[in-house]
Order: sequence, then C-alpha cells, then structure tokens
Amino acid sequence: DAKTTQPNSMESNEEEPVHLPCNHSTISGTDYIHWYRQLPSQGPEYVIHGLTSNVNNRMASLAIAEDRKSSTLILHRATLRDAAVYYCILKTSGSRLTFGEGTQLTVNP
Amino acid sequence: GAGVSQSPSNKVTEKGKDVELRCDPISGHTALYWYRQSLGQGLEFLIYFQGNSAPDKSGLPSDRFSAERTGGSVSTLTIQRTQQEDSAVYLCASSLGPGGEKLFFGSGTQLSVL
Repeated sequence: DAKTTQPNSMESNEEEPVHLPCNHSTISGTDYIHWYRQLPSQGPEYVIHGLTSNVNNRMASLAIAEDRKSSTLILHRATLRDAAVYYCILKTSGSRLTFGEGTQLTVNP
Repeated sequence: GAGVSQSPSNKVTEKGKDVELRCDPISGHTALYWYRQSLGQGLEFLIYFQGNSAPDKSGLPSDRFSAERTGGSVSTLTIQRTQQEDSAVYLCASSLGPGGEKLFFGSGTQLSVL
C-alpha cells in the first residue's frame, strides 16, 4: 500500500477554517484519497474521498494537488465537535482501508 | 438497520477463555471488515468478507482468531484461549460492495482480558 504522511497534531480555533495536510508522494494512478475521522470512543466516520478533482460535501472539502502527491482536507468552520483524529488513506477500488496514525485535531473554544 | 451494530459493547473475560463478538452490517452491504484498535493505537486490519467468503484474512494475528459470515449478513469474530494482549476495541465496518468507497463503522466491542 502506498503510504501517507500527516502531522501528528494540529490546533484550531472554533469557527475558523482548518486545513489538514497529507503527503502521498508514492500515490499510484488507481489510488483514491480517502479521509476518515474518529471521534473519542467511536468508530471511524467517512468524511470525503476523491481521485483527481477537488471535492466538496456537507462535511468538508478535499483539495488535491495537480500532481496528486499531496492533498488537503478543509473544514470550513471548525466546531468543538470536529475535534477528532483525522486519517488520510490511499485506497484502490476493492481493497481494504489501511489506517495510519492520523492527525489529532484540537479545537479551542 | 440504520447502522452497523456490534454486540456486546463491552466484554470482560478471563485469560484462556473463548469469546465471540458479533457484527450486524447495514442491510444490503455485501462487504464486511473487522479491525481492532489497542489503547492509544491506530486501527489494525483483521479480515475482509465479500458475501460469505473471506478473500483477505491476512490481518488475523494468530490461529486463535477466526471469523465467519453467514447468509451474507451477520459476522462473528471468535478468539480462542484469549490472552491479555488481545485486549482492544474490535471494530466492524460494512460497505455496499468490494468497490464500495464508503465504509460505515460500528461503535465497537471493548474486550478486556484479565
């Protein structure tokens, strides 16, 4: 599996945007970029995924670099409920999700 | 059901005993995954089912671990002769199919081996 690199932790203030980076320099053409998050004492929750184009949904936006070697998950207005571990994962269709260490996001009131 | 359901939510057992953990996936989801998460650690893949077959068992840590899925729905993860290092949260997830891009996770079973 191609690997991703994320910062161990990040902090944000409530109601401000948050940009969570992910590097994946060995990404292959068939790898989708997935983001999941895990709130305390819960199972992971799907956030967003994309292949080449930027993606938006009600939870977040995913900005993918033109060379696809990096991506950024954007939370437009952080809330206290967004405090979680965010995982950036490369996945080919039909394969399993392989979780790394993720980024622990702290949201300050 | 509305989501992935796992039972029990908590299980305390004695070293050497066998345990069974159950997962009810979302209705219609053909793919089912088991993961485990030790305290403060990331998620570790255990096994993947497509229908009733398990094309990927590569994550099972030892032959004490086994899993089955019947009727393409409910799955049971069995741990025989439990050891203290088996203590973890065991998470189940399901998706629409092998190419399903969204996995839906249950809340997990917290297993404590004394």
